[in-house]
Amino acid sequence: GESVGLHLPTLSVQEGDNSIINCAYSNSASDYFIWYKQESGKGPQFIIDIRSNMDKRQGQRVTVLLNKTVKHLSLQIAATQPGDSAVYFCAENMGGATNKLIFGTGTLLAVQP
Amino acid sequence: NAGVTQTPKFQVLKTGQSMTLQCAQDMNHNSMYWYRQDPGMGLRLIYYSASEGTTDKGEVPNGYNVSRLNKREFSLRLESAAPSQTSVYFCASSGRGPRWFFGPGTRLTVL
Repeated sequence: GESVGLHLPTLSVQEGDNSIINCAYSNSASDYFIWYKQESGKGPQFIIDIRSNMDKRQGQRVTVLLNKTVKHLSLQIAATQPGDSAVYFCAENMGGATNKLIFGTGTLLAVQP
Repeated sequence: NAGVTQTPKFQVLKTGQSMTLQCAQDMNHNSMYWYRQDPGMGLRLIYYSASEGTTDKGEVPNGYNVSRLNKREFSLRLESAAPSQTSVYFCASSGRGPRWFFGPGTRLTVL
C-alpha cells in the first residue's frame, strides 16, 4: 500500500518465514528497478536490481519480480532473519543521460523472533 | 575505499542561517546526487550532477544550491535555512549501471 505522512506500511513476519514486499511504480519508461534496504540511522543499501526487459531476478535469499502490465514490483526474502528488519524502498531509474533514481515511500519490515 | 562520505553528521541551525553540506566519493563515479528524507518518508531528489561541471534540478530544488567542485566532491548549500528544511540529507554517487552508493547522511535541524 501507499504511505501517507509519517505512517509507513509495515509488514510483520516471524523469523524463518518468507517475506513479500510490494511496490507500485509510475513510469513505464524506467530502465531499471532497484530495491534498497535502509537500517535505522543509516543510508540506503543496494539489495538487487532488475532491468525492465526481465520478469524475475534472483539473488542470495532474495527474488525480485516485475509485472509491467500492472506496474508492480515485489521483493521476496526467503527465511527472514532478525537482521532483515529495516525499511525497504523500491526505486526506478530512467537511465540514459539523466540517470536519476526516484524512490517510492518504503515499507517497514519487522521480524519477530 | 571509504565510498561516499558526508560532513557534518549532525547540524542545528537557526532560521535564516546558511551552511554547506559536504560530500565526497572515492569510486571515480561520474554522477552524484543529493536527496532529503523526511521522517517516515522516502528519499526525494534535490539536485544531481551527471558529470563534472554539470548540475540539474531534481524534485525539490527550492531553497538549495549545489556545486560540483570536481569529480570527487559535490556540495549542497542552504543560503537561508527554514524549519521546512529540517531533514536527513543523503549524498549518493553512481557509475555505470543501476547501483547507487549512499553516504551515512547529515541530520539537520532548523529551529
